[in-house]
Amino acid sequence: DTAVSQTPKYLVTQMGNDKSIKCEQNLGHDTMYWYKQDSKKFLKIMFSYNNKELIINETVPNRFSPKSPDKAHLNLHINSLELGDSAVYFCASSRGLASADTQYFGPGTRLTVL
Amino acid sequence: AQSVAQPEDQVNVAEGNPLTVKCTYSVSGNPYLFWYVQYPNRGLQFLLKYITGDNLVKGSYGFEAEFNKSQTSFHLKKPSALVSDSALYFCAVRSGGYNKLIFGAGTRLAVHP
Repeated sequence: DTAVSQTPKYLVTQMGNDKSIKCEQNLGHDTMYWYKQDSKKFLKIMFSYNNKELIINETVPNRFSPKSPDKAHLNLHINSLELGDSAVYFCASSRGLASADTQYFGPGTRLTVL
Repeated sequence: AQSVAQPEDQVNVAEGNPLTVKCTYSVSGNPYLFWYVQYPNRGLQFLLKYITGDNLVKGSYGFEAEFNKSQTSFHLKKPSALVSDSALYFCAVRSGGYNKLIFGAGTRLAVHP
């Protein structure tokens, strides 16, 4: 059983398009995250939701809009895609916000903007 | 601000030899430290974490890490490396009250037969 899953795995699109990435976790966790990994493999947090409430927004352009319809899902919608948005996007989840709560990551979505 | 540093871009080890992947941290308050591994074209897999207690933390796949407060380090170790351990390893520190992880730049481990 996949704990944290993302769709699609690969996404190739043109500049200016709008696209969405979906994430689902079946761990019963309350907290979910989006991370971006750039071409140099550097990982940076973008957003976090706890019980469907946005709690972290790391100065991400407002073209990026996360949405959490329920605790098990956190989707990422990106408007007006730019070349610099090309990256691997990872979803993660944790039981909650306690210091001991481990984050578990999905397999990633590789976004390529042409 | 919380940060972690992984001073080595790459570590090369012969199979069967011990391996160490280095990590140093800078935090205000108690450090909560994590190691993750990323295999090619895969997501990050959790290896181990230090929250409190024993300085030697044991994790998955035979890995362990030693927390050293005086040296502000959290090095990842394994007594005998396998070729299948070849991957990208990330050290991370928890930052703030919302469980935000700050990652190091990653260290590529190459284990040669």
